[in-house]
Amino acid sequence: QAVLTQPSSLSASPGASASLTCTLRSGINVGTYRIYWYQQKPGSPPQYLLRYKSDSDKQQGSGVPSRFSGSKDASANAGILVISGLQSEDEADYYCMIWHSSACVFGGGTKLTVL
Amino acid sequence: QVQLVESGGGVVQPGRSLRLCCGASGFSFSNYGMHWVRQAPGKGLEWVAIIWYDGSEKYYGDSVKGRFTISRDNSHNTVCLQMNSLRVEDTAVYYCARDSADRGHDYWGQGTLVTVSS
Repeated sequence: QAVLTQPSSLSASPGASASLTCTLRSGINVGTYRIYWYQQKPGSPPQYLLRYKSDSDKQQGSGVPSRFSGSKDASANAGILVISGLQSEDEADYYCMIWHSSACVFGGGTKLTVL
Repeated sequence: QVQLVESGGGVVQPGRSLRLCCGASGFSFSNYGMHWVRQAPGKGLEWVAIIWYDGSEKYYGDSVKGRFTISRDNSHNTVCLQMNSLRVEDTAVYYCARDSADRGHDYWGQGTLVTVSS
């Protein structure tokens, strides 16, 4: 079982909110990890969006709009990237990452379609 | 502004070696750890390696451990990745990225393509 699992795709409408999940493998407690989120558009390198561990331990990437935010669902053992007020330019691949056992581990990515 | 520029990519035969380097500017390079992350064509991101700001610690992804070596030269603001015993599955765009001081990757280069093929 992969360390981080992301749904392969998600669709949402312009103006709506989208919640992208990043589920940690059983036995790895989401509460103890900082979860990092990245956006990647075709033909471009990834861009750092934000880091979230708790409301008192979070960081927004430089120039990243506040409509991108992080949260957690402890009951699902998952980190969540919330994008509010979806715009067409938000259509991209989104990756989560944690630092686990002295290694960076990326999720498989979610392709977000805005239509 | 922070700039990271990778170089050294190209086509190489399986079993051969290649050295990638990344030149950094726009920040105090010697104060930051640096990563290499790769992305195979049409696939997701795979972390390759990290080197601490002073070179004192290095960690590697399982798929490259024992074959790849990360190094840095703080006097020349460069970080390099020596890739030995290359395999077809090492074919990817290789990105260098700055460590955000807590293992995130806050700035990325544009990447350099490595193709391993006979």
